[in-house]
Amino acid sequence: AQSVSQHNHHVILSEAASLELGCNYSYGGTVNLFWYVQYPGQHLQLLLKYFSGDPLVKGIKGFEAEFIKSKFSFNLRKPSVQWSDTAEYFCAVNAHTNAGKSTFGDGTTLTVKP
Amino acid sequence: DTAVSQTPKYLVTQMGNDKSIKCEQNLGHDTMYWYKQDSKKFLKIMFSYNNKELIINETVPNRFSPKSPDKAHLNLHINSLELGDSAVYFCASSHGGGELFFGEGSRLTVL
Repeated sequence: AQSVSQHNHHVILSEAASLELGCNYSYGGTVNLFWYVQYPGQHLQLLLKYFSGDPLVKGIKGFEAEFIKSKFSFNLRKPSVQWSDTAEYFCAVNAHTNAGKSTFGDGTTLTVKP
Repeated sequence: DTAVSQTPKYLVTQMGNDKSIKCEQNLGHDTMYWYKQDSKKFLKIMFSYNNKELIINETVPNRFSPKSPDKAHLNLHINSLELGDSAVYFCASSHGGGELFFGEGSRLTVL
């Protein structure tokens, strides 16, 4: 079975600080990887995704993530956060052989102080 | 036009009642899902339908019954509501194993 682990439950940063959120997954086969963001009171929306190719993927709002296959990791980064980045961030994995089922990590709450 | 729409957005009801949530997507996706997000924001898949056929049924009490009349609709009916059913229920759709497009959520409060 696939599983996802997000190591940081709550991260608090000041504006302009750099961000890195950890994500590790457990699955031996080929996977698709995603980061979703949920702004307060809203639904989840896609930040970025990795299916294949260049392991460094860029998403919306200046976010990027790097897939490191040997470490089963897909960490999310942003060089300089803004107050508007305050949200819940979810890493998700979707195994190619698992009927399209996406498994989510427990989420990381990011609070950016102005 | 909203891509994935759910109704109602809020439900407040008493224990023991039955309630339904409706979901519709206009993206032409073949696969639709129900996810439950609890008070700690944990997100767990409940069901998935592909072209009206149930393909994922996680360990969910049989008080929860999904129905997909066509591939653009996936409804969720809950019988005999319990306090622990209080959560936000998200409908989502996707094309194959691609990214999920979520609805705005239906916040269920059981008193």
